[in-house]
Amino acid sequence: GGIITQTPKFLIGQEGQKLTLKCQQNFNHDTMYWYRQDSGKGLRLIYYSITENDLQKGDLSEGYDASREKKSSFSLTVTSAQKNEMAVFLCASSFNANTEVFFGKGTRLTVV
Amino acid sequence: QQKVQQSPESLIVPEGAMTSLNCTFSDSASQYFAWYRQHSGKAPKALMSIFSNGEKEEGRFTIHLNKASLHFSLHIRDSQPSDSALYLCAAFNVGDNSKLIWGLGTSLVVNP
Repeated sequence: GGIITQTPKFLIGQEGQKLTLKCQQNFNHDTMYWYRQDSGKGLRLIYYSITENDLQKGDLSEGYDASREKKSSFSLTVTSAQKNEMAVFLCASSFNANTEVFFGKGTRLTVV
Repeated sequence: QQKVQQSPESLIVPEGAMTSLNCTFSDSASQYFAWYRQHSGKAPKALMSIFSNGEKEEGRFTIHLNKASLHFSLHIRDSQPSDSALYLCAAFNVGDNSKLIWGLGTSLVVNP
């Protein structure tokens, strides 16, 4: 089996700061995703990528950038952290869009 | 764009009960339907998926799909306290730029 590793697990940033979250997968999956999950709520798609160097915007892309540097890694940048975006950010991957999605354990963002 | 809606938003049932969770989707061309479960503080994990009309049973869990009524559901027989979690449904079709569309989740509590 494979694993999705997200770093860091906890991230504390100041309001207005630029912050980067990283994700690595060893499933050899083509598609990778970044989701934001507010406390106890559902998943909102920020960015996804169907192959290396591809980027597609999700419903919540404003205020974020992403980069798919290679097939196994997908990073997310919060361009200017705001207090109302404290949440858990989940990275995920799948072979393609209609196969099982595997999730990382998340990065919990706190903005002070 | 496809819309996926879940009901109820939250549910409390006694141990041993039959639990039914519902999901409606807006695009009749959808091809793939899945349920995920997320225990508190953990990553979402796939439970079951279905491609064609009908139902599929795995242990205490049954997924049912009716494309004509734009509805799929998850039924949990003999609900256990360990089933307490956030349940997320998702649907996919090629018209959505190759990504799953997620519902907002149903929070289930099974009381011992």
